Amino acid sequence: EIVMTQSPATLSVSPGERATLSCWASQSVSSSLAWYQQKPGQAPRLLIYDASTRATGIPARFSGSGSGTEFTLTISSLQSEDFAVYYCQRYDNGYTFGQGTKLEIK
Amino acid sequence: QMQLQESGPGLVKPSETLSLTCTVSGSSVSISYYWGWIRQPPGKGLEWIGSIYYTGSTYYGPSLKSRVTILLDTSKNQFSLKLSSVTAADTAVYYCAGGGGNQPLHYWGQGTLVTVSS
Repeated sequence: EIVMTQSPATLSVSPGERATLSCWASQSVSSSLAWYQQKPGQAPRLLIYDASTRATGIPARFSGSGSGTEFTLTISSLQSEDFAVYYCQRYDNGYTFGQGTKLEIK
Repeated sequence: QMQLQESGPGLVKPSETLSLTCTVSGSSVSISYYWGWIRQPPGKGLEWIGSIYYTGSTYYGPSLKSRVTILLDTSKNQFSLKLSSVTAADTAVYYCAGGGGNQPLHYWGQGTLVTVSS
């Protein structure tokens, strides 16, 4: 069973600054990696799939990179609405989520 | 635009079976999508429970596999979840979701809280 690990658990960043979130897979998932954003009381929203493709309607400040076992989500200039919990997910064979990174205001 | 909506009891007694239904609108469950269930215990992360392909093939996550059944009802444009022998640890918000083959879960329901308590 592939395990997805995210780092850090909590990230404190000021509005307007860049945020970098990491995700590791215990085995290669090729590029079958997605990122979701979840705000309190809401369902997760798909941001990035195929490691680097933005989903429909997602602003260009969100970008994804990586392949195999190491992946990164970058938010180039944080807006107030970006403070949330972010999950990575592999979907090459079933689905497995990381434990999440909480992005909070510094 | 595809929309998904969960429905079912919000309270289930320990040892009983949790049953939820997801109704799909704006599209058909007969398209080549995987339809799945994900849960989130209060204050915790997301756990994939299992999925069903439009052909009826099912795929279950390892931790709940022995207690889960997912079914597809094309006549009602719905799919369902049954989780047997529930305990308090199964208390969670349950989401239904859908996505294409080798794709992530593009579409999600709003989620429904199920509490296991006597």
